Amino acid sequence: EDKVVQSPLSLVVHEGDTVTLNCSYEVTNFRSLLWYKQEKKAPTFLFMLTSSGIEKKSGRLSSILDKKELFSILNITATQTGDSAIYLCAVRAGNNRKLIWGLGTSLAVNP
Amino acid sequence: EAQVTQNPRYLITVTGKKLTVTCSQNMNHEYMSWYRQDPGLGLRQIYYSMNVEVTDKGDVPEGYKVSRKEKRNFPLILESPSPNQTSLYFCASSYRGDTEAFFGQGTRLTVV
Repeated sequence: EDKVVQSPLSLVVHEGDTVTLNCSYEVTNFRSLLWYKQEKKAPTFLFMLTSSGIEKKSGRLSSILDKKELFSILNITATQTGDSAIYLCAVRAGNNRKLIWGLGTSLAVNP
Repeated sequence: EAQVTQNPRYLITVTGKKLTVTCSQNMNHEYMSWYRQDPGLGLRQIYYSMNVEVTDKGDVPEGYKVSRKEKRNFPLILESPSPNQTSLYFCASSYRGDTEAFFGQGTRLTVV
């Protein structure tokens, strides 16, 4: 059965800290891995990583994909209170291009 | 503005009263999905559609129906809602199912 596992489930840090969020997966016919940020309501897209793009960076956020070891990490440097959210990892797999979601990491950044 | 629009945003209804949650996207996306999100269970796919008139079950389809008569619309139908369908629902779309998924604002449904 396809699965995506995120760790830790919850994290509390102080402003300015650097955090690393983990996502491991076991799926059939991997297509891509996506990271989302969910605050009050709908998830918003951060990154998509594929075989041809295994490292992405945007400002203080960066992500890498290790297709051999079947995991990805999301790094946030110099965290701010606005980074407080649930971070979701999803893997797109199979002929039906289904997104398989992890349960998320809840990040709280304290001032 | 490119977006996915769900309506209503909030709905409280009684057991057994049929309801429809609408979803519309203006990005000409082929692939659309419905999810429900529950604490501790994450996002679970209800139904998906890879194109017009093509729909298929996701992981938790029981008690739901969908239709895809037009590319832009993908309504979710609860014929006889029950309290265990109380949840936060999201519609999402993507281009051919190969790109990022864009989410609607969500519909908070309570069935009493």
